[in-house]
Amino acid sequence: QLQLQESGPGLVKPSETLSLTCTVSGGSINSGSSYYWGWVRQPPGKGLEWIGHIYFSGSTYYNPSLQSRVTISVDASKKQFSLKLSSVTAADTAVYYCARLEYKSLFDFWGQGTLVTVSS
Amino acid sequence: SYVLTQPPSVSVAPGKTARITCGGNNIGSKSVHWYQREPGQAPVLVIYYNTDRPSGIPDRFSGSNSGNTATLTISRVEAGDEADYFCQVWDTSTDHPVFGGGTKLTVL
Repeated sequence: QLQLQESGPGLVKPSETLSLTCTVSGGSINSGSSYYWGWVRQPPGKGLEWIGHIYFSGSTYYNPSLQSRVTISVDASKKQFSLKLSSVTAADTAVYYCARLEYKSLFDFWGQGTLVTVSS
Repeated sequence: SYVLTQPPSVSVAPGKTARITCGGNNIGSKSVHWYQREPGQAPVLVIYYNTDRPSGIPDRFSGSNSGNTATLTISRVEAGDEADYFCQVWDTSTDHPVFGGGTKLTVL
């Protein structure tokens, strides 16, 4: 069974860069042409928001509302993919999830999520 | 961009049927996926492509999609079904996924 686990700091200062890593176990990160690896977040009291996703080859797709601040990268040899979000503000406080995305459809496996708080 | 609307909360007594709706413009023309998220847990796919159920998901969970509304139906509701439920589609106009705001199911 595929498992995903987020890791990274739970507290980030305003204007700094949020960095999270997702480690994949129970399967390969280059597990076939149909799968991508994505990040989704949920701010307190709000719905889920897609941040972006990456193919194992490195092709990336970002939410236009975050594109100027987001970088997603992948290290297939370590079975990890990462999220960097720069110039964070309190509005970036959220639970961040990593997930596997089936091409242009659904998220079939998710991590448990990690709360990141932006505060000085 | 495409907007999905869910009721913030639904309450149901044990053993009864819960219906959670997901509204969107002509959503019946799209494939809708549903996720269950229990507190502190990873979201779990419970219905995909409108009506299909992943292995391990009880047949008490079913889905439908027509017109401007998709519905997740949970029959014979149990206390363990208490969770947040989210709908999701792929927005072909922007070529990215869109989520509903989520519905908290409370079992009375």
